[in-house]
Amino acid sequence: KQEVTQIPAALSVPEGENLVLNCSFTDSAIYNLQWFRQDPGKGLTSLLLIQSSQREQTSGRLNASLDKSSGRSTLYIAASQPGDSATYLCAVTLFSGGYNKLIFGAGTRLAVHP
Amino acid sequence: NAGVTQTPKFQVLKTGQSMTLQCAQDMNHEYMSWYRQDPGMGLRLIHYSVGAGITDQGEVPNGYNVSRSTTEDFPLRLLSAAPSQTSVYFCASSLGGAGNQPQHFGDGTRLSIL
Repeated sequence: KQEVTQIPAALSVPEGENLVLNCSFTDSAIYNLQWFRQDPGKGLTSLLLIQSSQREQTSGRLNASLDKSSGRSTLYIAASQPGDSATYLCAVTLFSGGYNKLIFGAGTRLAVHP
Repeated sequence: NAGVTQTPKFQVLKTGQSMTLQCAQDMNHEYMSWYRQDPGMGLRLIHYSVGAGITDQGEVPNGYNVSRSTTEDFPLRLLSAAPSQTSVYFCASSLGGAGNQPQHFGDGTRLSIL
């Protein structure tokens, strides 16, 4: 059974710091991996999607890497800002029962303080 | 530019009551799904639909029913509410399968069962 783990569960950093969020998964037979952002009381916003054949994706100050063989992904946030404060979730996509199914981690709650 | 709209935003029910959580999207997406999010856990798939008239079960379908009579709407019905169904419910839609395209999420319905 695929399990997705995110460490740390919570992180507090000063503004301007570069930081790394970690995501690990137990089964390397994934279709792709996505990183989402969730603001309090809101739904999820897709940040980056990495196909299984890719090693990384970049969007602005965000860079996500994928190492399927070791079952790991990292989300790198450069020059963090208070507006980056949110919960970040990763999800792997499996093909199961004729449908691509997302398995989510529990998230990392990030607080960036001025 | 509404995206995915969920109603109501909050609801309190008594054990044994039934209700319908509404979800509508205006992006002409074929794929729609319902998730529940519980504290300390990632999102878990309840039911999904790959198009009008087609639905199937996800990981945690017991106690919930869905139907998809139109492309736009995908309501979730709680048949007889139980305290274990206290959760935050999210509806999502995507152009392709769950992992092929980024999923768009609604803001959620916060449901408490007393």
